[in-house]
Amino acid sequence: EAGVTQFPSHSVIEKGQTVTLRCDPISGHDNLYWYRRVMGKEIKFLLHFVKESKQDESGMPNNRFLAERTGGTYSTLKVQPAELEDSGVYFCASSQYGFSNSPLHFGNGTRLTVT
Amino acid sequence: AQTVTQSQPEMSVQEAETVTLSCTYDTSESDYYLFWYKQPPSRQMILVIRQEAYKQQNATENRFSVNFQKAAKSFSLKISDSQLGDAAMYFCAYRSPNSGYALNFGKGTSLLVTP
Repeated sequence: EAGVTQFPSHSVIEKGQTVTLRCDPISGHDNLYWYRRVMGKEIKFLLHFVKESKQDESGMPNNRFLAERTGGTYSTLKVQPAELEDSGVYFCASSQYGFSNSPLHFGNGTRLTVT
Repeated sequence: AQTVTQSQPEMSVQEAETVTLSCTYDTSESDYYLFWYKQPPSRQMILVIRQEAYKQQNATENRFSVNFQKAAKSFSLKISDSQLGDAAMYFCAYRSPNSGYALNFGKGTSLLVTP
């Protein structure tokens, strides 16, 4: 079984540019999550999809961030325009069920550097 | 919001020895779940162990066990017979049915295993 895959693994962009991160969850997992870890801080929840619907987007920092999951398969997270404070590692995770004890399967993360 | 505190940014253990990583959390809820995740240098975060708050018995998974003290809001991870492959970043996380599906993470503890 293929795990959660994320593209790219590393992205370096200039402030003001746009970047799109992609996440392919494990096949059959309806639940998809985005998290972010800023250097030296906790990993923070961004949002949760159930299939193509946004179940919870309370963690999205501002309207420069747009997440989509068209068709309920892979998801993209676009940052436009990027700011310096957006630098960090963006993790995607998926789970088969939405229960609180349902384990999340994480991808390797995308390291975003905004200069 | 629930907070998770890992007071040890770095820990070191010799191969075959035992190490305990600490985690405390702050919550007013009675029903929740606690997790330890491991992120090796390859970066994919994997679930090590989980504990349901309603269970008094401490969870164990082979060489990994937890000491769950609900009244003290403490959830430490014990790694017995440490192996070189245990070297990783370890994250403690909290999840509650009442707070959506967001995992609340601590800042992590970097574990070094020496031969």
